[in-house]
Amino acid sequence: GAGVSQSPSNKVTEKGKDVELRCDPISGHTALYWYRQSLGQGLEFLIYFQGNSAPDKSGLPSDRFSAERTGGSVSTLTIQRTQQEDSAVYLCASSPGPGFNYGYTFGSGTRLTVV
Amino acid sequence: SQQGEEDPQALSIQEGENATMNCSYKTSINNLQWYRQNSGRGLVHLILIRSNEREKHSGRLRVTLDTSKKSSSLLITASRAADTASYFCATVRSYNTDKLIFGTGTRLQVFP
Repeated sequence: GAGVSQSPSNKVTEKGKDVELRCDPISGHTALYWYRQSLGQGLEFLIYFQGNSAPDKSGLPSDRFSAERTGGSVSTLTIQRTQQEDSAVYLCASSPGPGFNYGYTFGSGTRLTVV
Repeated sequence: SQQGEEDPQALSIQEGENATMNCSYKTSINNLQWYRQNSGRGLVHLILIRSNEREKHSGRLRVTLDTSKKSSSLLITASRAADTASYFCATVRSYNTDKLIFGTGTRLQVFP
């Protein structure tokens, strides 16, 4: 597609429920990243996929968070048993290759609110 | 963890003035990038400067990099109200060339 697409754009969920956030990167981009941004804060790295390599999961804050990327394209970030501190904007980005050569193209994000 | 710290945290100027934002980082880098964010949503890539470069220009943007001081600056000349946004620096570390680590951002307000 023309840009990085994220869905839903907004999600309100009850504490304890599971949520799935979707990211559709730019076609042909081999690198895909998830970040989250709490209100008024910078971006916190969560996870990085590059081609068929094992993902870099070093930023996932707990084992309630997981992500997968199917067929080297669409990615889903899953948060199990959501907590209020999970409320944030979740941003997905893709790039043609690793970050040492390219800038990222970001989606518009999913605003998650846990009530 | 945050790699960069932007300074100032907030900046207010009049249209036509220049805006300068600074970024400091902690570890050696492969490159440094600047992004703009409007309304707390998606970020837009502005410019990438590599560790062996000292200055780069793109339109009204001028970025400098001083690796000895581990710092960078972003200058926006002849600012416009449409430049109102948050600006973030982000670095790709020398020893981990895969992901960007973002700073805390500068909130720029340009008054007409």
